[in-house]
Amino acid sequence: QSALTQPASVSASPGQSITISCTGTSSDVGTYNLVSWYQQHPGRAPKLMIFEVNKRPSGVSTRFSGSKSGNTASLTISALQAEDEADYYCCSYAGIRVFGGGTKVTVL
Amino acid sequence: EVQLVQSGAEVKKPGESLTISCKGSGYTFSIYWIGWVRQMPGKGLEWMGIMNPGDSDTRYSPSFQGQVTISADKSISTVYLHWSSLNVSDTAMYYCARGATFDVWGQGTMVTVSS
Repeated sequence: QSALTQPASVSASPGQSITISCTGTSSDVGTYNLVSWYQQHPGRAPKLMIFEVNKRPSGVSTRFSGSKSGNTASLTISALQAEDEADYYCCSYAGIRVFGGGTKVTVL
Repeated sequence: EVQLVQSGAEVKKPGESLTISCKGSGYTFSIYWIGWVRQMPGKGLEWMGIMNPGDSDTRYSPSFQGQVTISADKSISTVYLHWSSLNVSDTAMYYCARGATFDVWGQGTMVTVSS
């Protein structure tokens, strides 16, 4: 299984919205509604933000939302805040699991 | 509080063996899979494998099959990651995480392999 494809970086100003894409294949993202997203701040463990494409764990801000179309899943962060600056990783079921390469989000 | 607590940082030489641990608390340990994730310095997350502590069913990423061994002792709510012979390239932070969605993460164990 190959890693899922994410943009290396995305940046925007506070208050704006961003969308991070996660492109897989018909063997993973395209077949299974089992895509999750993780946020990782420097020096910290990752944190689950979205699971099963569009479900938010308790305590995660409603500014974070997930979706999927075909072989591409997306994470949208609305009303961007300084604290959202972090690395974001998608992960899909593919018999086992596979992560994306990660996207660095910069708040300008 | 649901927690996964990992063992401390390790410094090893190439060729040495190593086992790191991940202890769960605050939930019924045997009903959640526990997985391991590697993060090499400055790099992204890599899914290594996952084990069901209840029945020891284990799945490995092809990239890690044969390179590491995942095991568990459910009597003490602990899952292990073992290397029989470390390489310099095993230098990384290793995280354990709970369940199919990895909803709870350990704090990480830094493994440094250097001659």
